Amino acid sequence: SQQGEEDPQALSIQEGENATMNCSYKTSINNLQWYRQNSGRGLVHLILIRSNEREKHSGRLRVTLDTSKKSSSLLITASRAADTASYFCATDAGGRQGGSEKLVFGKGTKLTVNP
Amino acid sequence: DARVTQTPRHKVTEMGQEVTMRCQPILGHNTVFWYRQTMMQGLELLAYFRNRAPLDDSGMPKDRFSAEMPDATLATLKIQPSEPRDSAVYFCASGLDPGAASPLHFGNGTRLTVT
Repeated sequence: SQQGEEDPQALSIQEGENATMNCSYKTSINNLQWYRQNSGRGLVHLILIRSNEREKHSGRLRVTLDTSKKSSSLLITASRAADTASYFCATDAGGRQGGSEKLVFGKGTKLTVNP
Repeated sequence: DARVTQTPRHKVTEMGQEVTMRCQPILGHNTVFWYRQTMMQGLELLAYFRNRAPLDDSGMPKDRFSAEMPDATLATLKIQPSEPRDSAVYFCASGLDPGAASPLHFGNGTRLTVT
């Protein structure tokens, strides 16, 4: 069963707008990662946030993590048509402390950015 | 630019036939993961290896699926006999130990259709 669940399942916005995707998970984690998948391609790693971090930035991406609520959000600012893709959160699945083996993915949010 | 290579990209086969999917992980990566992606189930972890040793294959139907790493440059996933419900995209990903605390690099997948 999925550890992380993304919300919403689908999101359609206009170019230039911000896109926010949320991820909720069930058990304690050591870190959380976000990935992007273009149609017909493999997943590409975007950003990793550790359980002792609250916020992380990478270019137009901003990720927050609230371990008390077991949730994370991915914000894409000033979206572009090229950001159209599916976005997945992934969490470790309760491996050994400090380093976990499995990475479990949610079902993703399908983002469409209209030009 | 190092990347994970999967072959074949597409495979169409008849029910009952054997299917072998191959993956060449990125040189130097010591963890290899096999995932299956479907619309209904999303990304399911089938098996993973560290230093060529299988660590967990609990997500894999044991009666028909097998995963191996004959050497550090090759991982294989075999289905025998294949069934229509095995139709999916199969992804291989590689990374550095511990697997879930570092980014995974995905191949572009093998799209399997079993008729």
